[in-house]
Amino acid sequence: EPEVTQTPSHQVTQMGQEVILRCVPISNHLYFYWYRQILGQKVEFLVSFYNNEISEKSEIFDDQFSVERPDGSNFTLKIRSTKLEDSAMYFCASRGGPYSGETQYFGPGTRLLVL
Amino acid sequence: DAKTTQPNSMESNEEEPVHLPCNHSTISGTDYIHWYRQLPSQGPEYVIHGLTSNVNNRMASLAIAEDRKSSTLILHRATLRDAAVYYCIRGGGSNYKLTFGKGTLLTVNP
Repeated sequence: EPEVTQTPSHQVTQMGQEVILRCVPISNHLYFYWYRQILGQKVEFLVSFYNNEISEKSEIFDDQFSVERPDGSNFTLKIRSTKLEDSAMYFCASRGGPYSGETQYFGPGTRLLVL
Repeated sequence: DAKTTQPNSMESNEEEPVHLPCNHSTISGTDYIHWYRQLPSQGPEYVIHGLTSNVNNRMASLAIAEDRKSSTLILHRATLRDAAVYYCIRGGGSNYKLTFGKGTLLTVNP
């Protein structure tokens, strides 16, 4: 069964450093998402991406964050200058089509720890 | 705002059925009802979704009230591996993003 994969599974970084989280969505999917979950809290939407551009972003997704689909298979989330409060699980998700009944499939997540 | 209401927690015994309720009284006519679950330290996992009719798949059944203001996720025989947080999510919102609430923490007792 096709699945979304994410690398690395864990990342530890120093405050102020740049990190890139990588995702390989399900092949042929067209819509891509990043969510995050701070420990003990709800899963929160960060950004959606379609047709090589951001279609929606949340208040959390400020100019320290960026997303890219560099090569048609990977989908990346970059945090330019990490803060302590960026420590969280980051989940990538993808969906195939445009109607609201389409299922989003999530990856296993990257646990980011900012020290 | 998740716009759905679920109990914070529920408990079940292994091999017994579990009925997880969800209220979505302000749901629009075109919003699907999606159920996801999240096992400890894992990403959300799709369970089932529906619009008006009841739905069955290999994981669960979804019973949708006739007025669509509520739904119930049914796990026919709970196993220990079903212990998770279950999220009821309406529609997909703009750009089909999922808005998660706190969900229902299901505990399954052996």
